[in-house]
Amino acid sequence: RKEVEQDPGPFNVPEGATVAFNCTYSNSASQSFFWYRQDCRKEPKLLMSVYSSGNEDGRFTAQLNRASQYISLLIRDSKLSDSATYLCVVNSASPGFQKLVFGTGTRLLVSP
Amino acid sequence: NAGVTQTPKFQVLKTGQSMTLQCAQDMNHNSMYWYRQDPGMGLRLIYYSASEGTTDKGEVPNGYNVSRLNKREFSLRLESAAPSQTSVYFCASSRLTEAFFGQGTRLTVV
Repeated sequence: RKEVEQDPGPFNVPEGATVAFNCTYSNSASQSFFWYRQDCRKEPKLLMSVYSSGNEDGRFTAQLNRASQYISLLIRDSKLSDSATYLCVVNSASPGFQKLVFGTGTRLLVSP
Repeated sequence: NAGVTQTPKFQVLKTGQSMTLQCAQDMNHNSMYWYRQDPGMGLRLIYYSASEGTTDKGEVPNGYNVSRLNKREFSLRLESAAPSQTSVYFCASSRLTEAFFGQGTRLTVV
C-alpha cells in the first residue's frame, strides 16, 4: 500500500465550479501535512499547509482528519489558472526534520 | 534570490555512462532531498540529507549515490546509467516547514 494515496483524476470542471480532492495516508505517526501545486513540466510549489483545525486561504480550504488519516482540499470558484496537478504531501519523520512523502497527484482541468 | 539551483536542466546519456547531478541552495537549509518523478508514479524520494555530513536512503536508492558536500550542496551520481533511470529529477531543500524545489533535470538514458 502506498504511504500517500490520491485519486489521479483528471477532474474536469467548468470555471466557477467547486471541486474537492481527497488524500489518505497510512503512517499514523505523520506530523505535518501539505498541499503542493505542480504546473506542467515545472517544479512543485507549496500551496498551503494543513492544520488539524482546518485552514482557509482565499478560495482554498484544507482539512485534516487524523482519526481517519484523511486530508482534503476544496477549491471554490475555480479559475482557468487553477488547472494544475495538486500533490498531497505528508511529513513522515520526527518533528524538526522533514521527510516528505508525495502522493501521485490529482490533475485538475478547468475549462471556460 | 536563487533558491535551489540544479544543473544540468537536460541531459541525454548512453547506457553505462556516468554523471553527477548538481544541486545547491542558498537558503541555509539543513535538509536536502533528491526525488525522481515518473508518469503515474508521482515524486519518489531517492536520498535525503537531514544535515551536513549525513545522508539516508529513500524509497528508490538503487543505482544512485549522493554526497552532501557542505550545507549548500547535495549531489546525485549515477555510476552506470540504465534506461530505467530516464526520469525528471528534482532536488529540494527545507528547514522546518516548506520545501523548495529546483527546476528539475530531465534525464534520458538511451
